[in-house]
Amino acid sequence: EAGVVQSPRYKIIEKKQPVAFWCNPISGHNTLYWYLQNLGQGPELLIRYENEEAVDDSQLPKDRFSAERLKGVDSTLKIQPAELGDSAVYLCASSLGLAASSYNEQFFGPGTRLTVL
Amino acid sequence: SQKIEQNSEALNIQEGKTATLTCNYTNYSPAYLQWYRQDPGRGPVFLLLIRENEKEKRKERLKVTFDTTLKQSLFHITASQPADSATYLCALGGFQKLVFGTGTRLLVSP
Repeated sequence: EAGVVQSPRYKIIEKKQPVAFWCNPISGHNTLYWYLQNLGQGPELLIRYENEEAVDDSQLPKDRFSAERLKGVDSTLKIQPAELGDSAVYLCASSLGLAASSYNEQFFGPGTRLTVL
Repeated sequence: SQKIEQNSEALNIQEGKTATLTCNYTNYSPAYLQWYRQDPGRGPVFLLLIRENEKEKRKERLKVTFDTTLKQSLFHITASQPADSATYLCALGGFQKLVFGTGTRLLVSP
């Protein structure tokens, strides 16, 4: 069974440029998460989807970040414009969701390492 | 505010010994706690889950304890191997949301 797929794995951009990350979760997983991970830190939740609905986006900086999961499967996270401080690893994760359990383990993708110059 | 503390210093142990990692938390009442392993350049991988009404969980060489009075979880790896070298993250859970600690790096030398 394929795991969570993310692309690109690495991205280098100039500040003020836009950037987009793509995630394809494990088949059948209703819940999808986007996390940000800085060096030496744990993942921090940006947004959580239940199917196509964003149920927790309280930590998403909405002035420059946006996300979508139009058909309840794959998802895109966008930053526009990027700032130097956005350099980090962006992780996508998925889980079965509330329908299966309240204690779902999360399955993570390899992440996209973003460098903003 | 919620705070999760894991030892920021790397833990160095010799092969065959038991590694014990600590996760302390404040201002939080998690319904469960999970431990993840993260290797460089990769996403975290789930290891164990323990619920608030459980004291201890085991899986092969891994053991997790959860003391909601002390607000602490201990993660043990017995008979450690060099392949166990990685960063271990604890995560506190509730309402489908996980809050991660900063992780502790474990180095197991032959």
